[in-house]
Amino acid sequence: AQSVTQLGSHVSVSEGALVLLRCNYSSSVPPYLFWYVQYPNQGLQLLLKYTSAATLVKGINGFEAEFKKSETSFHLTKPSAHMSDAAEYFCAVSDSNYQLIWGAGTKLIIKP
Amino acid sequence: DTEVTQTPKHLVMGMTNKKSLKCEQHMGHRAMYWYKQKAKKPPELMFVYSYEKLSINESVPSRFSPECPNSSLLNLHLHALQPEDSALYLCASSQDRMETQYFGPGTRLLVL
Repeated sequence: AQSVTQLGSHVSVSEGALVLLRCNYSSSVPPYLFWYVQYPNQGLQLLLKYTSAATLVKGINGFEAEFKKSETSFHLTKPSAHMSDAAEYFCAVSDSNYQLIWGAGTKLIIKP
Repeated sequence: DTEVTQTPKHLVMGMTNKKSLKCEQHMGHRAMYWYKQKAKKPPELMFVYSYEKLSINESVPSRFSPECPNSSLLNLHLHALQPEDSALYLCASSQDRMETQYFGPGTRLLVL
């Protein structure tokens, strides 16, 4: 069965610092991979998705993620954190039935 | 336009009440989903409708009853809920089941 692991339930960075949120997946076939963001008391917003077109995927709000098949990873990065980036971030993979398998989520905390 | 709307935003109900949650999208998407999300957890899939037919029911208790009156609308009828059913209920839609899911803002439900 496919699974998604997000390393770190909480990640704290200073404003202006690099953001790195880690996601590893297990999949026997090339996957579709997603990052969603959830701001407090809101629904989920798609940040970016990987669908095998390019290994480096650019998303909204300055985020990007790189698909590394050899490492089965799809880590999310942003060069410079803003206070408005504080939110919960979920990595997900689409399984063979096209259902989303979710990671546990990482709460991003931005320190002033 | 990737908007999914949900009403109401908040709902408080007693265990003997009957209420309904409503979800609407006008993107021409043919797949619609209900998820349940508890605090600090990823969403859990409840139901999937594909071309207005129920295609997945993830062993959800019968006190939750989905309905898809047309391709733009998805309802979730609630009856005799338990306090542990309190959660954020998210609706999502996608072009079809293979495509990216877009989420609504959710209905926060409290069962007393």
